Amino acid sequence: ETGVTQSPTHLIKTRGQQVTLRCSSQSGHNTVSWYQQALGQGPQFIFQYYREEENGRGNFPPRFSGLQFPNYSSELNVNALELDDSALYLCASSLGPGMEETQYFGPGTRLLVL
Amino acid sequence: AQTVTQSQPEMSVQEAETVTLSCTYDTSESDYYLFWYKQPPSRQMILVIRQEAYKQQNATENRFSVNFQKAAKSFSLKISDSQLGDAAMYFCAYRRAKAAGNKLTFGGGTRVLVKP
Repeated sequence: ETGVTQSPTHLIKTRGQQVTLRCSSQSGHNTVSWYQQALGQGPQFIFQYYREEENGRGNFPPRFSGLQFPNYSSELNVNALELDDSALYLCASSLGPGMEETQYFGPGTRLLVL
Repeated sequence: AQTVTQSQPEMSVQEAETVTLSCTYDTSESDYYLFWYKQPPSRQMILVIRQEAYKQQNATENRFSVNFQKAAKSFSLKISDSQLGDAAMYFCAYRRAKAAGNKLTFGGGTRVLVKP
């Protein structure tokens, strides 16, 4: 069974640029959630995708957007990068969006915005 | 809005000893789930233990156990027989049982140091 994978592991961008982060869900999982973890803090929920549709969103501006593909992998796109977007971005997959499902996390992508 | 609070930024424990991490949460819901996740320096968030609010029995996973006090909205984690590999950040998390986009709400974390 393949776990959750994310790419790239590290990324450096400058303010105003755009970035795309990628996540492959665990085998058999159809739901992907994205979280932002600033240094020294707990993760904050960005949004969730279930069967290619957004299924819930946290308190993040529209410049944070996402996609989910038919194979259930997902992308997180951030436009007009700001310094405060520097963080660890975590992706988590689960069997479904139902209340029973536990989320399993990938290793994250560390984004630094200069 | 639900909030999760971990009041201990850092805890230190001697190898083979026991340490207890505190977590409190605020919610008006009656059905929910609580989790403890471990985040080692490798950054990957690993599920340690999960508790369903409707279950009165405290969850246990090998050396890890919880003390779930629903009325007090408290959910502490006990690590017994601590090992060097237990050193990590530990996050308490809450999830509503009936909501779209079953998001996790995390606390600020507790760093656990294990002394040999």
